[in-house]
Amino acid sequence: AQKITQTQPGMFVQEKEAVTLDCTYDTSDPSYGLFWYKQPSSGEMIFLIYQGSYDQQNATEGRYSLNFQKARKSANLVISASQLGDSAMYFCAMRDLDSNYQLIWGAGTKLIIKP
Amino acid sequence: EAGVAQSPRYKIIEKRQSVAFWCNPISGHATLYWYQQILGQGPKLLIQFQNNGVVDDSQLPKDRFSAERLKGVDSTLKIQPAKLEDSAVYLCASSLEGLAGEDTQYFGPGTRLTVL
Repeated sequence: AQKITQTQPGMFVQEKEAVTLDCTYDTSDPSYGLFWYKQPSSGEMIFLIYQGSYDQQNATEGRYSLNFQKARKSANLVISASQLGDSAMYFCAMRDLDSNYQLIWGAGTKLIIKP
Repeated sequence: EAGVAQSPRYKIIEKRQSVAFWCNPISGHATLYWYQQILGQGPKLLIQFQNNGVVDDSQLPKDRFSAERLKGVDSTLKIQPAKLEDSAVYLCASSLEGLAGEDTQYFGPGTRLTVL
């Protein structure tokens, strides 16, 4: 069974608009962690934000926030006030006991910011 | 704080040749990972080290791939002989512990391998 689903292969967003990247996950483990990474065309995988399953509040890091809806098993990434430099691939990943705490990756979403 | 270092950044070889990649993790990080990322896909874990011991190498094609982490710090990944399907980006990552919870993996810039 697919554990991480990113349903948007690609998105175009106007500069300065907010953007939401979708991620749904599947696990039976009550303890898990969710991660978002950004991968520009240069290839480096850049850590953006983390959400633990027991965290009461949604994680935020600067312009990035995670809309964590535990009952719906979704962990969407919200980027506020998008910039041209936000154009990249974005990956959602999860680690849990079933995966032996290794990261399970989604297929990614290619985000393009239009000037 | 210095990030994960990798070299080379790019490598072009012919099939059946051998190639080696080097990785230096973030200082103090016990866990080191090698991933293979085919264009358009998410990373695939090849091998995970905890200090200088192997935690998981179940997806490492051991007939042609090998990896070592001497003294629990630097690591090398070798392919011998290379095949066309090995063309990919090879990412090295490190994390503090590799255990449950908020143990974030930090990645290096990657090595883009092209096999002709």
